[in-house]
Amino acid sequence: SSELTQDPAVSVALGQTVWITCQGDTLNNYYASWYQQKPGQAPMLIFHDKNSRPSGIPDRFTGSSSGDTASLTITGAQAEDEADYYCQSRDNLGHRVFGGGTKLTVL
Amino acid sequence: QVQLQESGPGLVKPSQTLSLTCSVSGGSISSGGNYWTWIRQQPGKGLEWIGYIDYSGSTYSHPSLRSRVFISVDTSKNQFSLTLTSVTAADTAVYYCAREGDTWYFDYWGQGALVTVSS
Repeated sequence: SSELTQDPAVSVALGQTVWITCQGDTLNNYYASWYQQKPGQAPMLIFHDKNSRPSGIPDRFTGSSSGDTASLTITGAQAEDEADYYCQSRDNLGHRVFGGGTKLTVL
Repeated sequence: QVQLQESGPGLVKPSQTLSLTCSVSGGSISSGGNYWTWIRQQPGKGLEWIGYIDYSGSTYSHPSLRSRVFISVDTSKNQFSLTLTSVTAADTAVYYCAREGDTWYFDYWGQGALVTVSS
């Protein structure tokens, strides 16, 4: 099945903007979804498809895509945004695939 | 609001079979339109998709696990289950059940069940 590649760790100053990226050939054909996971908790869907944010997710979280790369932008990062972030999609065979995750530190 | 809850033994011996059940409330599996999914996360690692089932019992699973995975559904109880055979220490993980939405995203998750494989 296809692979999705994420940077293992990213940091951002409080209130600044950060981009978390996800790269994989399958993203040329299928949208990525994004999940936030805090320690000891289940992942939570924060963005999916071209432009969909689940109810209750702050609008500072936005997803975008270009070619084989999907990005999650956090505009004005807050302390509570410190977490692991995972991208996820599917491949041509229908397998669901996850990126390796990015640990976000808010300084 | 759809809610999912995993249940099952937290300790399984090597070479034996892991069995978990996911109970769904706030929504009906038999209404169709969704895949009901198992995902796991080994300690300190990322998320791994195991497979899914739909209301009719059609399943699909990760190629690396396919020979050991069996996913079933009981619509009368609004539950679906995971069976993983011949487990090893590498199968130690938190196992999540989740609902897949319209386009391969997972919109509702259970809290997760830690399963440890150890003698």
